[in-house]
Amino acid sequence: QAHLVQSGSEVKKPGASLNVSCEASGYTFTDYVLHWLRQAPGQKFEWMGWVNPLNGNPDYSHKFQDRVTMTSDASANTVHMELRNLRPEDTAVYYCAAGHWLITWGQGTLVTVSS
Amino acid sequence: DIVMTQSPDSLAVSLGERATLNCKSSQTVLYSSNNKNYLAWYQQKPRQSPKLLIHWASTRESGVPDRFSGSGSGTDFTLTISNLQAEDVAVYFCQQYYLTPYTFGQGTKLEIK
Repeated sequence: QAHLVQSGSEVKKPGASLNVSCEASGYTFTDYVLHWLRQAPGQKFEWMGWVNPLNGNPDYSHKFQDRVTMTSDASANTVHMELRNLRPEDTAVYYCAAGHWLITWGQGTLVTVSS
Repeated sequence: DIVMTQSPDSLAVSLGERATLNCKSSQTVLYSSNNKNYLAWYQQKPRQSPKLLIHWASTRESGVPDRFSGSGSGTDFTLTISNLQAEDVAVYFCQQYYLTPYTFGQGTKLEIK
């Protein structure tokens, strides 16, 4: 059974950087791409991008591509997402999810950006 | 980007009755070379992560009750929940994976009447 566990909640100031991790278990790590998405209060889910654990190659949404980096560490079955230059509107729950259709999701990481 | 629009925004249905949830995409999500619709449905209960119910528009995930069914093709899709149970109270989202960026509908909140 595929399982994803994310790092804990964060409170950040505007302009800071965010780092969230997502550890996979219960399946072969390289079998599925891993996505990052977010859900801001009252907003639709936003897809931020994915990383392919097989080769580490990312594909970013055009909305985030100049301030996001997604990486894969196959030795730790973990993917990481860095979002830079945070703004208050980046306040959201951030999720990782596995598979081209999002077969399994992490538990979510609440991120609050406030001065 | 492909825009996904769901209707209605909220729906109240009696226990044991049928709920019909709609999803429309701004362009086709049917890939002609394999005749597959790149459309998924998710269920999100309060304080939980989303759960995948259906992919390829109509393929139910393992373990999902057969009262959940998906239909439609091209730009118009439906999630039908037959014999509504109390545990089906949730928000339901459609999502296209035909093109990046993947995009989601705004959700339909399903309640018991």
